[in-house]
Amino acid sequence: DAGVTQSPTHLIKTRGQQVTLRCSPKSGHDTVSWYQQALGQGPQFIFQYYEEEERQRGNFPDRFSGHQFPNYSSELNVNALLLGDSALYLCASSLGGSRNQPQHFGDGTRLSIL
Amino acid sequence: ILNVEQSPQSLHVQEGDSTNFTCSFPSSNFYALHWYRWETAKSPEALFVMTLNGDEKKKGRISATLNTKEGYSYLYIKGSQPEDSATYLCAFKNLDTDKLIFGTGTRLQVFP
Repeated sequence: DAGVTQSPTHLIKTRGQQVTLRCSPKSGHDTVSWYQQALGQGPQFIFQYYEEEERQRGNFPDRFSGHQFPNYSSELNVNALLLGDSALYLCASSLGGSRNQPQHFGDGTRLSIL
Repeated sequence: ILNVEQSPQSLHVQEGDSTNFTCSFPSSNFYALHWYRWETAKSPEALFVMTLNGDEKKKGRISATLNTKEGYSYLYIKGSQPEDSATYLCAFKNLDTDKLIFGTGTRLQVFP
């Protein structure tokens, strides 16, 4: 039973560039949430995708956008990268419509901005 | 702004000691409280999802309680082992949103 997989594991970019991170949910899950974890902080909610639509969004600028595909996999795109975007980006999957289900997390993508 | 606070920030205990830590959250519009264990170089792993006031959940040597009226949850570890060393995160969800709001975690180190 494949868990949540994220790619790439690490990424180095420079300011102003754009980046795409990818996530495949746990088998059977249809909802994907993205989180940003900066040093010393807890994971911060970016947005959630269900049925290929953004269902909820946290306090992140429009530079952060996403997409969910028919197979439930998801991408997180960040444009015009800033130094402050350096963080661990976590993807979590769950079953939509059941708000009491735990989230299943991937190992994350470590993004460094130079 | 909804805030989740965890204390202490870090904890060092000897193998065999029992320990506990606290998660505080807004008590209004409560929906669910999650606990996760996050070991270094691994992904966060769900421990408990708690929804009812007075809930108590147990998984092996780890247990948790919930008080939704006063807005806190305790996580207990009985007879700590070195493999319990991890960051323990709690996350709160309210009735208005499906967003999980995380605390900054309690980092536990258990020394043999």
